[in-house]
Amino acid sequence: GAGVSQTPSNKVTEKGKYVELRCDPISGHTALYWYRQSLGQGPEFLIYFQGTGAADDSGLPNDRFFAVRPEGSVSTLKIQRTERGDSAVYLCASSSQGGTRGDNEQFFGPGTRLTVL
Amino acid sequence: GNSVTQMEGPVTLSEEAFLTINCTYTATGYPSLFWYVQYPGEGLQLLLKATKADDKGSNKGFEATYRKETTSFHLEKGSVQVSDSAVYFCALDRRRALTFGSGTRLQVQP
Repeated sequence: GAGVSQTPSNKVTEKGKYVELRCDPISGHTALYWYRQSLGQGPEFLIYFQGTGAADDSGLPNDRFFAVRPEGSVSTLKIQRTERGDSAVYLCASSSQGGTRGDNEQFFGPGTRLTVL
Repeated sequence: GNSVTQMEGPVTLSEEAFLTINCTYTATGYPSLFWYVQYPGEGLQLLLKATKADDKGSNKGFEATYRKETTSFHLEKGSVQVSDSAVYFCALDRRRALTFGSGTRLQVQP
């Protein structure tokens, strides 16, 4: 079956511009997660959705970052006034049910590589 | 706060050698523990998991045991193959989100 998909696979933008990154989770998965992975590091948590609502956005680094999931399926991560430090691979993951210990198997997408010039 | 520490890589082994990648964690409560693998050009995949103390996760010849007394979850494999070359990430769950280590690159030479 189809896995988690993310578009675009690569995004190059200029400092100060606005970008949107899209995630299509596995069909039927209620939980969706965004992570950011800098070169040579492990993924860092940004935000978690359960259904349409953001259950935990404690990982968003500042108010330039925002994410939505209006219909409980596709999610968009939005970054305003991009900075060079935002350059990273942005990963999306989904799971069938969030928060249950042992059942929190997250399936990851291939990521979007964002480069801010 | 919660954190995961992994041994730094790269780890370079010959085929059929024994593998250990160390992972220790700091966490409140009793998190579930995971090993994820990222093969070249592919996304992160769950390799194995353990949900409580003394549990052993295993998959594809890899094993890791949840050691509460040493707060460790070391990854082992008795005989590595070239196809095991990848980056391995140890992780714990933290109120639904995962906290990852920095990753260990494994290179297996024929």
